[in-house]
Amino acid sequence: ETGVTQTPRHLVMGMTNKKSLKCEQHLGHNAMYWYKQSAKKPLELMFVYNFKEQTENNSVPSRFSPECPNSSHLFLHLHTLQPEDSALYLCASSQGEKVTGELFFGEGSRLTVL
Amino acid sequence: GQNIDQPTEMTATEGAIVQINCTYQTSGFNGLFWYQQHAGEAPTFLSYNVLDGLEEKGRFSSFLSRSKGYSYLLLKELQMKDSASYLCAFMDSNYQLIWGAGTKLIIKP
Repeated sequence: ETGVTQTPRHLVMGMTNKKSLKCEQHLGHNAMYWYKQSAKKPLELMFVYNFKEQTENNSVPSRFSPECPNSSHLFLHLHTLQPEDSALYLCASSQGEKVTGELFFGEGSRLTVL
Repeated sequence: GQNIDQPTEMTATEGAIVQINCTYQTSGFNGLFWYQQHAGEAPTFLSYNVLDGLEEKGRFSSFLSRSKGYSYLLLKELQMKDSASYLCAFMDSNYQLIWGAGTKLIIKP
């Protein structure tokens, strides 16, 4: 138990569907992150929020839309995805005003796009 | 440019010692991290090195040489539960984490 909870753990969706991934952290951290993890590839940073403000968007396609209503919750809204978007989506949190490499990850949401 | 490299897969025997290497190239450096990720689970933080030398934490140690762009993770007295992927990442001058693709470690009895 890392203190970061992601739901759903598994999601299968068609290319025309709209779904959302949810992340909740119980650690009192101020920063939250979305990462994409594909097999045998490095983690790809997608979005960073610090004190609910988006501070990083790594050229992510607009079919991925993040939302951070408060410092404890982070969503990733998905629409009109492509099969190559199938991957493990990891949420993480960290504490401190400066970016830190000590991240606390959730177990991920395994997404399959048909 | 920036890059980071680590072996894709390694195999070791229970009770033995294994060293997982990580090499990197970057113009700005703010530390190197190791994470452990068991299959189907969250990556968990293992170590952080920002100065040269060896940091020991129980059965796990991490080494850094900034001049050589080189780090390793040393695992002693291997246990079956150490079977996992080990992710190496450095923090660049913009405080961005640059990740390696991970090393899958297989422990055999």
